[in-house]
Amino acid sequence: QQQVKQSPQSLIVQKGGISIINCAYENTAFDYFPWYQQFPGKGPALLIAIRPDVSEKKEGRFTISFNKSAKQFSLHIMDSQPGDSATYFCAARKGNTPLVFGKGTRLSVIA
Amino acid sequence: DSGVTQTPKHLITATGQRVTLRCSPRSGDLSVYWYQQSLDQGLQFLIQYYNGEERAKGNILERFSAQQFPDLHSELNLSSLELGDSALYFCASSVDPGLLYGYTFGSGTRLTVV
Repeated sequence: QQQVKQSPQSLIVQKGGISIINCAYENTAFDYFPWYQQFPGKGPALLIAIRPDVSEKKEGRFTISFNKSAKQFSLHIMDSQPGDSATYFCAARKGNTPLVFGKGTRLSVIA
Repeated sequence: DSGVTQTPKHLITATGQRVTLRCSPRSGDLSVYWYQQSLDQGLQFLIQYYNGEERAKGNILERFSAQQFPDLHSELNLSSLELGDSALYFCASSVDPGLLYGYTFGSGTRLTVV
């Protein structure tokens, strides 16, 4: 059973556009929701994270929106650039348990 | 360089064989996590060690085992390998599993079973 469901599987966005990736979870005990970015040949790297007591967190062009009642959170990439082309993973955890990841979204930003 | 070192980067072996993947965590990190990445399943948690002791177990097959040594490096042993074990294996480390810090991932070991 997939604890964190991520969509879409792949996404193509024009340069300068907004990329939106969504994740849904079932376990209401989850208390930490990070997003990871992975480039080919590299391991995932932490991009941005949020706790459930906050509805939005912004770091530069990257924003997490969190909807506790809907058990959903999303990553928005503003002014998407070709350098943002990568695979993005959402994840969640409860307390000090290991992170559970979504299946990933392959983002391609085209000029 | 993330600070987490995984060796080897690539491994090709035959079915039925046994291999050992090695991970050196980032300096100061006590927790080590092993994940398996495949195209259709994404990142699947295998096992976690904290300061030498097993802390959590995920979807790890009985043919797989791991340990963390006193110097904090970890090894993942995969035996009786099957074609389906072909995947990227990532090691990640963190300072403390109880704190809300992110993981630092290594660059992975790509295992191909032929």
